[in-house]
Amino acid sequence: EDQVTQSPEALRLQEGESSSLNCSYTVSGLRGLFWYRQDPGKGPEFLFTLYSAGEEKEKERLKATLTKKESFLHITAPKPEDSATYLCAVQGLGDKLIFGTGTRLQVFP
Amino acid sequence: AAGVIQSPRHLIKEKRETATLKCYPIPRHDTVYWYQQGPGQDPQFLISFYEKMQSDKGSIPDRFSAQQFSDYHSELNMSSLELGDSALYFCASSLWTSGHNEQFFGPGTRLTVL
Repeated sequence: EDQVTQSPEALRLQEGESSSLNCSYTVSGLRGLFWYRQDPGKGPEFLFTLYSAGEEKEKERLKATLTKKESFLHITAPKPEDSATYLCAVQGLGDKLIFGTGTRLQVFP
Repeated sequence: AAGVIQSPRHLIKEKRETATLKCYPIPRHDTVYWYQQGPGQDPQFLISFYEKMQSDKGSIPDRFSAQQFSDYHSELNMSSLELGDSALYFCASSLWTSGHNEQFFGPGTRLTVL
């Protein structure tokens, strides 16, 4: 069964304190691994797509990496505006995205 | 850049009533997806359409139906509403022919069933 597990569930960081979020997955026929940011009551905002092991993508303070079993979202020198829930999702053989339960990130000034 | 548009943004219904949610995809996108997100939960896939044909189906109750129209907008019809249907409903769209699978989400419709 396709499955996504994210850790930690919640993370509190001081502004400027770098850290990483983990996404472990099992999927039949990975077509893509996706990272989204979601603010309370809003729709998920697309961040990255990773397609194959070894791939890396960066955007501002965020960097996503992918192995055959997991993905990491590295946050460098975070700011309070980075506070949000970060969702990881995989797409296997069908259309659907299978989401993890997310990591709630809080960055304090 | 234009985003996915959903209407209404908020909807309050009584049990056993019906509801219709609308989704307007990003211009030129040909694929639409519907997801349901309960409080504190991750989004759960309901159904998707490509070029007006159903392309995949998830955990969508038989009381729900959906379709995609010739202008690519989609509607999710929900009948015999139950308290447990209260949730955020997201529509997402993508361009299938791009070769990339990114799904871009709308702001959601918050459905409350009383």
